[in-house]
Amino acid sequence: QKEVEQNSGPLSVPEGAIASLNCTYSDRVSQSFFWYRQYSGKSPELIMSIYSNGDKEDGRFTAQLNKASQYVSLLIRDSQPSDSATYLCAVNTGNQFYFGTGTSLTVIP
Amino acid sequence: ETGVTQTPRHLVMGMTNKKSLKCEQHLGHNAMYWYKQSAKKPLELMFVYSLEERVENNSVPSRFSPECPNSSHLFLHLHTLQPEDSALYLCASSQDPRTIKNIQYFGAGTRLSVL
Repeated sequence: QKEVEQNSGPLSVPEGAIASLNCTYSDRVSQSFFWYRQYSGKSPELIMSIYSNGDKEDGRFTAQLNKASQYVSLLIRDSQPSDSATYLCAVNTGNQFYFGTGTSLTVIP
Repeated sequence: ETGVTQTPRHLVMGMTNKKSLKCEQHLGHNAMYWYKQSAKKPLELMFVYSLEERVENNSVPSRFSPECPNSSHLFLHLHTLQPEDSALYLCASSQDPRTIKNIQYFGAGTRLSVL
């Protein structure tokens, strides 16, 4: 079983819509969860971090964590073409960092 | 600019060459990491240097050899690589892997091609 699983997509949404990205993880003792954005040919860039159950909002981004279901999500409101990228879910378990394969998002103008 | 600088940005090498990748962080962090990113695969953690301890992924071949002379500098020495080692190699740093809020910041990466 993979430590972190994401739907690879591609996910396409029209400009202005809400994009919903999902991630599940296997290790129940995981404590830290991150969403990174990676543009083609570039390195991952941190968008959100979340450590406790519930929602965390930052501008157009909302991260949601449900530890009981081992589920993390990222919502992007008012999606813009500049949001088109691959979104990586990352989980920190002790001294180990696990990344998903990423979900490719395309926002259509 | 994330405060993590990698050189070179691109590298082409033959299978018999020896080369080194360099990473430098200006963030005052205590941990540094090497990752390999191949197409359609998750980021693969290769090595971690944290508070002068090294943690490595046992599946990494011995033709990759890390070196961390101090908390700000990290090297990845490459020798007798194989074509399947062609990938994007990313360096990252973080403040303290012992804490929950262990956010990693990535360098721009080195795109390696092995011929």
